[in-house]
Amino acid sequence: DTEVTQTPKHLVMGMTNKKSLKCEQHMGHRAMYWYKQKAKKPPELMFVYSYEKLSINESVPSRFSPECPNSSLLNLHLHALQPEDSALYLCASSHDRVGGYTFGSGTRLTVV
Amino acid sequence: GNSVTQMEGPVTLSEEAFLTINCTYTATGYPSLFWYVQYPGEGLQLLLKATKADDKGSNKGFEATYRKETTSFHLEKGSVQVSDSAVYFCASFTGGGNKLTFGTGTQLKVEL
Repeated sequence: DTEVTQTPKHLVMGMTNKKSLKCEQHMGHRAMYWYKQKAKKPPELMFVYSYEKLSINESVPSRFSPECPNSSLLNLHLHALQPEDSALYLCASSHDRVGGYTFGSGTRLTVV
Repeated sequence: GNSVTQMEGPVTLSEEAFLTINCTYTATGYPSLFWYVQYPGEGLQLLLKATKADDKGSNKGFEATYRKETTSFHLEKGSVQVSDSAVYFCASFTGGGNKLTFGTGTQLKVEL
């Protein structure tokens, strides 16, 4: 299995909703990442988990809450989002710095 | 920290034309370098990589050579196809951790 699977593919949520994005990989990668990508822009790093521990938080607002239940799963819990949070949310995993990242196909989030 | 700079787009080419997308990097040491491709509505896919100076990465007819003397990693393809229409991102690792930093992206449109 050489894939990173993200669900759902599309999500529309209101500003008072609570939702979660899910990411799964079975490649034995010990680092997992959340990126946010706005249209026509490069991905921006949000969080890095290394060996199931949060190692980097790029000053992301607390309405985004990551969770790494085990080495294969990564969640992003969403609460009280704003319309400007609408974007493509990408999950990725990596084994080391040499191989680069493997990305999922993303969740396209719309906040209404 | 390390960074990459890539040429602005969009780039519009006719099918079978030669493609070059420029990428230069700034770094302490010699970080691994990557090209990622993003097709419309999808996540990022690793296209090719190079881990040390003078390495040549290649995949699907695309090539890039890690040149330390010019700090460059330009993407080339001898004959593009309509199916190559996508956004291409140059990337390198930043700092001592696993944070992958992207260039601004170059949109390629190939026409018949």
